[in-house]
Amino acid sequence: KAGVTQTPRYLIKTRGQQVTLSCSPISGHRSVSWYQQTPGQGLQFLFEYFSETQRNKGNFPGRFSGRQFSNSRSEMNVSTLELGDSALYLCASSLTLLAGGLNEQFFGPGTRLTVL
Amino acid sequence: GQQVMQIPQYQHVQEGEDFTTYCNSSTTLSNIQWYKQRPGGHPVFLIQLVKSGEVKKQKRLTFQFGEAKKNSSLHITATQTTDVGTYFCAGQRSNSGYALNFGKGTSLLVTP
Repeated sequence: KAGVTQTPRYLIKTRGQQVTLSCSPISGHRSVSWYQQTPGQGLQFLFEYFSETQRNKGNFPGRFSGRQFSNSRSEMNVSTLELGDSALYLCASSLTLLAGGLNEQFFGPGTRLTVL
Repeated sequence: GQQVMQIPQYQHVQEGEDFTTYCNSSTTLSNIQWYKQRPGGHPVFLIQLVKSGEVKKQKRLTFQFGEAKKNSSLHITATQTTDVGTYFCAGQRSNSGYALNFGKGTSLLVTP
């Protein structure tokens, strides 16, 4: 089985621009979560989608949004980029087996976003 | 902000020494997961603990979930250079739905 793929792998943007990141989960996985990883804050949960519905959202401003398509692929969008948005954005997919929670997360390689 | 605290932040050991990292949550967790991230890589799932007081072993790795389901630990016996990386715990709260709250991780360096 192919793993989780994320595109692009690297991205350089300037302040004020917007960006869209893409994630393709492992075939058969319907849950997709997004995380922001920075040296100072570690791994922070952004949001989780299942069957095109956002089930949970982390403590991030409204500039961060996402969506999931019927084939479980997901995108996240960051508008009006700030310098502090520079980070590694990780996508993870999982099977939904654990009642009321997330099972093992399979992470993609991430998108390294640099905001200048 | 972070709801799961993890210590220590860094640990440097000689090959063959033991290593332990600890996670603590202020609230009761429904379950906790552990991940390892190698330098330049992405987190890779190690294990999930669900039951109070649960202990699981994977070769030289021993994982524990506290009786109150508020703390957890990962212990590595006789570390090897292949154990180098950052170890993260990630907790889920019963009332937070589908969200994993990661600790900031413990970076392990093993010198031969």
